[in-house]
Amino acid sequence: GQQLNQSPQSMFIQEGEDVSMNCTSSSIFNTWLWYKQEPGEGPVLLIALYKAGELTSNGRLTAQFGITRKDSFLNISASIPSDVGIYFCAAGGTSYGKLTFGQGTILTVHP
Amino acid sequence: SAVISQKPSRDICQRGTSLTIQCQVDSQVTMMFWYRQQPGQSLTLIATANQGSEATYESGFVIDKFPISRPNLTFSTLTVSNMSPEDSSIYLCSVEDGPDRLYGYTFGSGTRLTVV
Repeated sequence: GQQLNQSPQSMFIQEGEDVSMNCTSSSIFNTWLWYKQEPGEGPVLLIALYKAGELTSNGRLTAQFGITRKDSFLNISASIPSDVGIYFCAAGGTSYGKLTFGQGTILTVHP
Repeated sequence: SAVISQKPSRDICQRGTSLTIQCQVDSQVTMMFWYRQQPGQSLTLIATANQGSEATYESGFVIDKFPISRPNLTFSTLTVSNMSPEDSSIYLCSVEDGPDRLYGYTFGSGTRLTVV
């Protein structure tokens, strides 16, 4: 089946540093999404990407839909302690709602 | 974006019993989705629920184990039947959000199930 390879698995950074994480796949997708999940909560959408090559920002977050449609990255600039959580990439094909999720990146930010 | 209420938020259940999880959306949606998140793992789609038709299950998930109801455009239930400790997971419902999925897919806060 379709799989997403998300890296890194975890990151320990100092407050103020920039963060970069990415997802790759051997399959082509039509949609790439980035979610953040905090303990006891469901995933919250950060950025949605719908076109190959699309670069989208949401505050300190920037994400891109790879031109090959097989990858995406998420950057967080000037990290703050509340950025702590698990970040998931998710990708969708032609079947609406059938999202494939990456394994997640656990982000820890030290004040 | 859509607001999803999921109940219960958590439960501890005896093996062999069943639990029904409710998902209520504040707007009408065509498709609702149920996911499972096993401890420390990512999310896996269980099934897609359309109003007025049988749910469509993903590979590895069957209707006898995870029966789903979708009585109207704002509500769905997922039942975890004949539970075993391996069913201990977070169960989440999700909906397409916005016209042409403008807001992506929104998730409920999940039901944390522990089977003992």
